[in-house]
Amino acid sequence: NAGVTQTPKFQVLKTGQSMTLQCAQDMNHEYMSWYRQDPGMGLRLIHYSVGAGITDQGEVPNGYNVSRSTTEDFPLRLLSAAPSQTSVYFCASTPYSGTISGANVLTFGAGSRLTVL
Amino acid sequence: AQSVTQLGSHVSVSEGALVLLRCNYSSSVPPYLFWYVQYPNQGLQLLLKYTTGATLVKGINGFEAEFKKSETSFHLTKPSAHMSDAAEYFCAVSTSGTYKYIFGTGTRLKVLA
Repeated sequence: NAGVTQTPKFQVLKTGQSMTLQCAQDMNHEYMSWYRQDPGMGLRLIHYSVGAGITDQGEVPNGYNVSRSTTEDFPLRLLSAAPSQTSVYFCASTPYSGTISGANVLTFGAGSRLTVL
Repeated sequence: AQSVTQLGSHVSVSEGALVLLRCNYSSSVPPYLFWYVQYPNQGLQLLLKYTTGATLVKGINGFEAEFKKSETSFHLTKPSAHMSDAAEYFCAVSTSGTYKYIFGTGTRLKVLA
């Protein structure tokens, strides 16, 4: 199994450009999420989803859009990139059995490093 | 709401010395607690977790952590550091009824030869 796959690994954008970070998992995990990692700030939750058609905001959702049309994919869209969005982005997933349990362990992708000039 | 505080953004230890990475949490309900490790240019992977039951939790690579409710702590320890332990370590908290995992700011461990 590939686990959680993120593409691209590296991307440079100019201010105002748009792009999509891709995340795919092959573990049939219902729960998927996006985090950004910044020095001294740890990981902060951007958006998450508990199944196809269901998404919700995390701590820092502004400037990002998500959708969940399939169980496998959870893309993160930047509609108009800003330098403040320069960061390393991680996608993570975990099973969801119909009852919410925070005891489940997150499986992370390898990350996507985004630079906005 | 939950929160996590990791004391010390950088910790240096000599090879063979005790590793102690500190984590304190805040939660109004019983927490689930996790330690993740991130090696350079990689994603995070689970070291260990506490959900319920035994308060001393053993993880991979010789690491362990003890849940102390009275101190709201979940410190990570390893008796003898190895060069391969050099990485960034994150403490995280979640609770039943939510899928919002809250991470600390991380502690970068350096192991000196």
